[in-house]
Amino acid sequence: GDSVTQMEGPVTLSEEAFLTINCTYTATGYPSLFWYVQYPGEGLQLLLKATKADDKGSNKGFEATYRKETTSFHLEKGSVQVSDSAVYFCALSGVYNFNKFYFGSGTKLNVKP
Amino acid sequence: DTGVSQDPRHKITKRGQNVTFRCDPISEHNRLYWYRQTLGQGPEFLTYFQNEAQLEKSRLLSDRFSAERPKGSFSTLEIQRTEQGDSAMYLCASSLGGAEGTNYGYTFGSGTRLTVV
Repeated sequence: GDSVTQMEGPVTLSEEAFLTINCTYTATGYPSLFWYVQYPGEGLQLLLKATKADDKGSNKGFEATYRKETTSFHLEKGSVQVSDSAVYFCALSGVYNFNKFYFGSGTKLNVKP
Repeated sequence: DTGVSQDPRHKITKRGQNVTFRCDPISEHNRLYWYRQTLGQGPEFLTYFQNEAQLEKSRLLSDRFSAERPKGSFSTLEIQRTEQGDSAMYLCASSLGGAEGTNYGYTFGSGTRLTVV
């Protein structure tokens, strides 16, 4: 079945460092791919998405490219800030069922000043 | 529009008691979803409604769980005879469903954290 695997955390970086959080998926066909962010005590917020192969989603300096050949959707940011500290979830919406999300287990990011 | 609202934010209950959570979706959204998130894990799908019809239920939703969405507006999730394993964050989301299963504006609420003691 459909599933998402993302790198375990926590990831600890200094402010202005480069961020990569790896995400790979298993799905039939071409699912839609998402990154969500969860701040302490809050719900999930959509960070970015891509709906077809080679699409690049971007928002707030974060980027991720939908790579069909490697079944990946890695999250990157060139210069992280303390305010980026949160838990990041990779997710997919299935090809045949757009009404259900499959989430990875989350990667906690700590950014130190 | 204040987004997706969930009530209560926190609930502590004794094992064996019944609990009920409420979700108020974004008003124009016709689809409503429930997910469960345990500590250190991503959310897992429980069930979803299109208007008032419950169209899919996960195997995670045992017979102690029941969800309703009367009149296609707010939804309730009830857990009967709670067990310690039910302790989790229960997230509600809503979306505006389009043709061929597309979704627009999928938005999560802040969740209800349930602790069963």
